[in-house]
Amino acid sequence: EAGVTQFPSHSVIEKGQTVTLRCDPISGHDNLYWYRRVMGKEIKFLLHFVKESKQDESGMPNNRFLAERTGGTYSTLKVQPAELEDSGVYFCASSLRRLAGAEEQYFGPGTRLTVT
Amino acid sequence: QQPVQSPQAVILREGEDAVINCSSSKALYSVHWYRQKHGEAPVFLMILLKGGEQKGHDKISASFNEKKQQSSLYLTASQLSYSGTYFCGTDTSNTGKLIFGQGTTLQVKP
Repeated sequence: EAGVTQFPSHSVIEKGQTVTLRCDPISGHDNLYWYRRVMGKEIKFLLHFVKESKQDESGMPNNRFLAERTGGTYSTLKVQPAELEDSGVYFCASSLRRLAGAEEQYFGPGTRLTVT
Repeated sequence: QQPVQSPQAVILREGEDAVINCSSSKALYSVHWYRQKHGEAPVFLMILLKGGEQKGHDKISASFNEKKQQSSLYLTASQLSYSGTYFCGTDTSNTGKLIFGQGTTLQVKP
């Protein structure tokens, strides 16, 4: 069974540019989460999809961030325009379905975003 | 709201034991433990659910004290492969939204 995959693994962009990160969860997993880790700090929740619906986007920093999950499969996270403070590692995680709090979340390898 | 982990860092010799604590000021539904090595994805270790329980596999185990809203991760007879940063993630709503502690860096030396 394939794990959670993320693309790209690294991205270096200039301030003001746009970047789109992609996450492919494990097949059949209804729950998809985005997290971010800024260097040296904790992993922070960004948002949670249940299938194609946004369940909770309370962790999204501002309206420069837009997440979508069309068809309830893969998800994209777009940052437009990027700022220096957006640099960090963006993780995607997925879990199966019901009783989400009691389920293991499988993390992807992350996308390291550097904004210069 | 962020859980507090202690200690922040620990250095061990192979074969020694360690305990990492995770304390929350909020009532918890579950506590998730992960280990992350540099440049890699966080790897799931175990989940503790409210109701107070203890879990374990091999030489890694954990407990959850619901009264204190505190979980502890026990690493026994540490191996070099245990090195990494350990995070506890807490869920207060049973939605899977995890709030992570700041991490505990563990280094195991030969």
